Amino acid sequence: EAGVTQFPSHSVIEKGQTVTLRCDPISGHDNLYWYRRVMGKEIKFLLHFVKESKQDESGMPNNRFLAERTGGTYSTLKVQPAELEDSGVYFCASSQDKNEQYFGPGTRLTVT
Amino acid sequence: QKEVEQNSGPLSVPEGAIASLNCTYSDRGSQSFFWYRQYSGKSPELIMSIYSNGDKEDGRFTAQLNKASQYVSLLIRDSQPSDSATYLCAVNRRGSYIPTFGRGTSLIVHP
Repeated sequence: EAGVTQFPSHSVIEKGQTVTLRCDPISGHDNLYWYRRVMGKEIKFLLHFVKESKQDESGMPNNRFLAERTGGTYSTLKVQPAELEDSGVYFCASSQDKNEQYFGPGTRLTVT
Repeated sequence: QKEVEQNSGPLSVPEGAIASLNCTYSDRGSQSFFWYRQYSGKSPELIMSIYSNGDKEDGRFTAQLNKASQYVSLLIRDSQPSDSATYLCAVNRRGSYIPTFGRGTSLIVHP
């Protein structure tokens, strides 16, 4: 069984540019989560999809972040325009059981 | 007070010893507790979950939960160099399925 995959693995962009991150969950997992880890800090929740619906987006930092999950399969997280403080590692996770989540390898985003 | 606290380490133990990793949490109503292992540059991997007071064993790993003390720990028996990683404690607060993570403890197992 394939795990959670994320693309790209690394992205370096300039302040003000747009970046789109992609997550492909484990097949059959209705729950999809986005997290972020800023250097030196703990992993923080961003939002949760159940199929194509946003169940909880309380962790989204501001309206420069837009997440979508059209068709309830893969998800994208777009940052527009990117700011320096958006740098970090963005993790995606999926689950069948809401309690046990399986993480992807993350996308390391650097905003210069 | 942080919601989930872990000593950042590093915790260094010799091969074959027992490694003891500790975590405290602030929300007394928390109900689900998880340990993730993360190798450098890799994804967090769920290795243990525990939901009730006491011990839960899985191979060389034992998770211990004490809700009265708001304390959860992970013991690794017969530590191997391949166990060297960062161990993340995560706690689901009451009524939530979203884990709150600690910053992780770095474990080094030296031959």
